[in-house]
Amino acid sequence: DGGITQSPKYLFRKEGQNVTLSCEQNLNHDAMYWYRQDPGQGLRLIYYSQIVNDFQKGDIAEGYSVSREKKESFPLTVTSAQKNPTAFYLCASSTGRDNYGYTFGSGTRLTVV
Amino acid sequence: GQSLEQPSEVTAVEGAIVQINCTYQTSGFYGLSWYQQHDGGAPTFLSYNALDGLEETGRFSSFLSRSDSYGYLLLQELQMKDSASYFCALPGAAGNKLTFGGGTRVLVKP
Repeated sequence: DGGITQSPKYLFRKEGQNVTLSCEQNLNHDAMYWYRQDPGQGLRLIYYSQIVNDFQKGDIAEGYSVSREKKESFPLTVTSAQKNPTAFYLCASSTGRDNYGYTFGSGTRLTVV
Repeated sequence: GQSLEQPSEVTAVEGAIVQINCTYQTSGFYGLSWYQQHDGGAPTFLSYNALDGLEETGRFSSFLSRSDSYGYLLLQELQMKDSASYFCALPGAAGNKLTFGGGTRVLVKP
């Protein structure tokens, strides 16, 4: 079945360390997105990519970096510059040709210890 | 920019009807979407309105009034499994970013 796979499901990081969250999709979608969700709040866009080798900053890009070397993959690195990284991170994808039907992965819960 | 406002929480009993309102501001309108998210889970797409009026999908319906910058999600015949957070969202142009409201937590009681 087609879908989006995020790994790991839970991640613990020491302060000052960089960590990379994986996101892989087999839906043949062109566009991919990273969102951050804090408890009881909505989703905020970190980065998005509409095509391979191109990506744009979202609303809260500071302290994060991404790459899009393959259509299927859009990893997110949370750097030590991110002041409050503990959150639930969600990856999503879409065809890029319509305005609905975004598909989300099951998320990675990152905790800084 | 884009912004969306929705109530933070709604409580109702099984079998009841709940309406979740959403007001938005945007410079370019490409439709209004609704997503459901159970605790700790992934958001799942529920409905999309590009034109004014009501869209019905089983027990859930969504309404849009572009002149009022307003929409709502109607949950009918509430079931315990409907306890979740519901988000309205504004898509950008195709392939562009999706902006979410803060979410409405729906609690269904027996």
